[in-house]
Amino acid sequence: GEDVEQSLFLSVREGDSSVINCTYTDSSSTYLYWYKQEPGAGLQLLTYIFSNMDMKQDQRLTVLLNKKDKHLSLRIADTQTGDSAIYFCAESPQGGKLIFGQGTELSVKP
Amino acid sequence: SAVISQKPSRDICQRGTSLTIQCQVDSQVTMMFWYRQQPGQSLTLIATANQGSEATYESGFVIDKFPISRPNLTFSTLTVSNMSPEDSSIYLCSAESGQGEKLFFGSGTQLSVL
Repeated sequence: GEDVEQSLFLSVREGDSSVINCTYTDSSSTYLYWYKQEPGAGLQLLTYIFSNMDMKQDQRLTVLLNKKDKHLSLRIADTQTGDSAIYFCAESPQGGKLIFGQGTELSVKP
Repeated sequence: SAVISQKPSRDICQRGTSLTIQCQVDSQVTMMFWYRQQPGQSLTLIATANQGSEATYESGFVIDKFPISRPNLTFSTLTVSNMSPEDSSIYLCSAESGQGEKLFFGSGTQLSVL
């Protein structure tokens, strides 16, 4: 079946790098996504990666995809207190429908 | 990117009543979706809103409880019918943009049922 798993919590110090990991099950997903949700807000699309890519970098964000192991990670460089939020990994097994992980709550300490 | 507006942003409703949530996209999109996020949980897809035809519901969701309309390529509504406290959740509208690879979300509707 379709399943996406993430660790629930991550705590880092301001200025450090954060790495949020995700595993998924559906190898047919064309794109894999990272979303950010701040308290009381909707979901903000952070970045996405095409399934035939290994890496995508966008400013402070680096996405790594290991398709063989079905493992996706999001690295945030120079993490700031404003990065504190819940981060969701999602796969898209078919036509725009997303299967989400449980979300990783990132806490950034000054 | 697509800008998605949802309203209301929040509401407190009485048991047994119904609430209709509106979703407006600033450009024509092929696909629109409705998700539910229960307290402290991840998002679950309710249905795909199809333009000009009945919505396609996921397992566990039915049209009588969550009727959906999509009269055109930029607008959709989700009604939560005969509400109970278990329906208290955030409801989010989503739409694709570009060549279908970008999936954006509205800011959500926080629903509390007393």
